[in-house]
Amino acid sequence: EAQVTQNPRYLITVTGKKLTVTCSQNMNHEYMSWYRQDPGLGLRQIYYSMNVEVTDKGDVPEGYKVSRKEKRNFPLILESPSPNQTSLYFCASSSSGPTPHEQYFGPGTRLTVT
Amino acid sequence: QQQVKQSPQSLIVQKGGISIINCAYENTAFDYFPWYQQFPGKGPALLIAIRPDVSEKKEGRFTISFNKSAKQFSLHIMDSQPGDSATYFCAAGTNQAGTALIFGKGTTLSVSS
Repeated sequence: EAQVTQNPRYLITVTGKKLTVTCSQNMNHEYMSWYRQDPGLGLRQIYYSMNVEVTDKGDVPEGYKVSRKEKRNFPLILESPSPNQTSLYFCASSSSGPTPHEQYFGPGTRLTVT
Repeated sequence: QQQVKQSPQSLIVQKGGISIINCAYENTAFDYFPWYQQFPGKGPALLIAIRPDVSEKKEGRFTISFNKSAKQFSLHIMDSQPGDSATYFCAAGTNQAGTALIFGKGTTLSVSS
């Protein structure tokens, strides 16, 4: 089954404790992206990757890091999480760029930073 | 100029009624306008998309109307059903490699039975 998987699905952590949210896709997609979803703000792009070893900042990259060492994986790293990073995070992938191609979203990771 | 403005924020429609969600954009370089549907606890999924060379696209009960001169597009859900209750996001983007898809803030639709 074609899918984007994220782990963990739920995470509660404390300020400053480094964490990684994993993302993996099995569709051989070149493009992968991370979004955060906040009430009233919609979906905002954090980082994206056009291909292996190629990443770039989205609209809200502060406080986040990413890496793309393999085509299928695109982990999101929070080196020192803060409460304002409490959010619902989605990973997405598409065949070659977000437009005009369909983006496939993962199920989401709900992160709470206390 | 990169914003996509979506309205209303929430919408309640009776079963069988028509749901209408509107979006407006400023960037005339946008040439791809998708709508994503998100059910609670799930990631968004592509519902329907339109390119600016047509004014309307219909897929089943879902129709996108596009007005290039007004820089507006809308989603119409005919014969709305309780199963359509979800959050809907409009978005806009270009064909240029590496450019982002800009999402509206979302509309929460509730269809009452």
